[in-house]
Amino acid sequence: GQQLNQSPQSMFIQEGEDVSMNCTSSSIFNTWLWYKQDPGEGPVLLIALYKAGELTSNGRLTAQFGITRKDSFLNISASIPSDVGIYFCAGRYNAGNMLTFGGGTRLMVKP
Amino acid sequence: GAGVSQSPRYKVAKRGQDVALRCDPISGHVSLFWYQQALGQGPEFLTYFQNEAQLDKSGLPSDRFFAERPEGSVSTLKIQRTQQEDSAVYLCASSSSGTLQETQYFGPGTRLLVL
Repeated sequence: GQQLNQSPQSMFIQEGEDVSMNCTSSSIFNTWLWYKQDPGEGPVLLIALYKAGELTSNGRLTAQFGITRKDSFLNISASIPSDVGIYFCAGRYNAGNMLTFGGGTRLMVKP
Repeated sequence: GAGVSQSPRYKVAKRGQDVALRCDPISGHVSLFWYQQALGQGPEFLTYFQNEAQLDKSGLPSDRFFAERPEGSVSTLKIQRTQQEDSAVYLCASSSSGTLQETQYFGPGTRLLVL
């Protein structure tokens, strides 16, 4: 099935460093979402973006909805050990539609 | 509980066996989604309900997969004659409305292993 192109696939960083990951699509989406999934759990929503060009923050997390509506990025500033997990981008075309997910970015943080 | 719950959390099935996976959405949520997540991959859409109506089943991989939500709340995903390639985590998500700002809340998933 279709998945968004998410990169990098994995990152191993030092605590305190900033992190950036991005997602691209060949199709446009009207909503971009970023989720985090911990082992054995379902994805948990971090940030939702509803408008092209929108820049939204949630604590140390910042995400942007690309102006072409075909891409998004997520930045995490000053990483901490509890940021470890898998981050997924997801796009949705319309309300009530399913989400199309990226392949995930596995983040590992070295204390 | 306050969140989406799924049962069983783990299921081991022999190839050819039928399985049934249950999802209890957040109370009052009209929309319910099923996703399949293979190891190391992102979730992939299977099917979508609005109340008891199955509005989209385009993601179901074969006619061995069947989902229902007869009373518009609890949903069951049934897989008949399981195959090894069915091994995956099956995630259920629910949302409250059909607006663009709706948020899909995910359950913890059922981990299915077919031997």
